[in-house]
Amino acid sequence: DAGITQSPRHKVTETGTPVTLRCHQTENHRYMYWYRQDPGHGLRLIHYSYGVKDTDKGEVSDGYSVSRSKTEDFLLTLESATSSQTSVYFCAISGRGQGSSPLHFGNGTRLTVT
Amino acid sequence: GQQLNQSPQSMFIQEGEDVSMNCTSSSIFNTWLWYKQDPGEGPVLLIALYKAGELTSNGRLTAQFGITRKDSFLNISASIPSDVGIYFCAGQKNYGGSQGNLIFGKGTKLSVKP
Repeated sequence: DAGITQSPRHKVTETGTPVTLRCHQTENHRYMYWYRQDPGHGLRLIHYSYGVKDTDKGEVSDGYSVSRSKTEDFLLTLESATSSQTSVYFCAISGRGQGSSPLHFGNGTRLTVT
Repeated sequence: GQQLNQSPQSMFIQEGEDVSMNCTSSSIFNTWLWYKQDPGEGPVLLIALYKAGELTSNGRLTAQFGITRKDSFLNISASIPSDVGIYFCAGQKNYGGSQGNLIFGKGTKLSVKP
């Protein structure tokens, strides 16, 4: 287990409400990522962080924002949830390491927007 | 965006059979990763490949980084029931730094033959 905790594990919310998902790591890794996983689309990158207060957009960033005020925590916020954001959200981390450092994933948050 | 073509999409296994799956791309990658995902959990890293031609094993799993750097293969020998799940390939173009440019295939779903 790579020391990644996602919370909550499940959430049901209504359209238009704000939602924040939390990812907490105990590995002191520099890089943290948020992915969403949908049938037929696989894993798609939403946002990632390369350090405290340093973030960048991924492939599907519209409608999402992130914040990283501490190395160990990376928050994903849906400012106004829509039904198209119903998905399973995964947080991942990677170390800086030499060469490429593979991603290690959390166990996901299943979000349902009604 | 970039695409990885992973095949087959799904396959059925009988205990003891060997299994093969692959990923191809029109682009060159410098890193290939293979993950397995069980229901309700996040993907778990199986094998990481960093050099063209590299052949790496992890127990009954063997993966190869294609010579052209545009493909990778995963083989499972003497399959057992716990091999069922979804297998993902992922490719990265650049060494080091973040995995913000990691691209995932859509997965190969392994099921037990009825």
